[in-house]
Amino acid sequence: GAGVSQSPRYKVAKRGQDVALRCDPISGHVSLFWYQQALGQGPEFLTYFQNEAQLDKSGLPSDRFFAERPEGSVSTLKIQRTQQEDSAVYLCASSLMTAGETQYFGPGTRLLVL
Amino acid sequence: KQEVTQIPAALSVPEGENLVLNCSFTDSAIYNLQWFRQDPGKGLTSLLLIQSSQREQTSGRLNASLDKSSGRSTLYIAASQPGDSATYLCAVRPLGNTGTASKLTFGTGTRLQVTL
Repeated sequence: GAGVSQSPRYKVAKRGQDVALRCDPISGHVSLFWYQQALGQGPEFLTYFQNEAQLDKSGLPSDRFFAERPEGSVSTLKIQRTQQEDSAVYLCASSLMTAGETQYFGPGTRLLVL
Repeated sequence: KQEVTQIPAALSVPEGENLVLNCSFTDSAIYNLQWFRQDPGKGLTSLLLIQSSQREQTSGRLNASLDKSSGRSTLYIAASQPGDSATYLCAVRPLGNTGTASKLTFGTGTRLQVTL
């Protein structure tokens, strides 16, 4: 595809529900990143994949957050037992190779937990 | 821990004015610095990327400078237009190995409005 795509674009969940957010990176991009953006704030790093390997997950806020990229392309960010503080925009980005390159961002998934 | 600050938080200017957005960071050990634009409800669009060895980058009406030793970057927008209205974010990438050097640390952004 032409750019990074994410689905769904909007998600409303009841507290305690599990959610799964999908990211389709630019074809051929090796690196994939997830960020969380709270209202009025800049994005904050969650996790990073190089191909299928999760090289950095230091930004995941709790063990309720889990990300995978099993075939080195599409990635899924899963949040278990959602809490109200999980409400945010979740951004996915990809870059062609590794560190030092421009990251291309998707439109984000806006998650609202009631 | 790297902290990135952007001043001002919001800015309103009349069309045609030149303007400067500021970004400061606490740890000068950076690999590069990137400026992004974010429109409401949209993702981030990369505007300019400055490597740590560079002093500035230009693209059209945009010019970004980097003073790594003082921990500062500026984004200069010439002859502003209403279409420039958006939130502008700067982000720094740290030095380090492939894993740790990949995450960007963002500022909170400057919300720009260019009026007719």
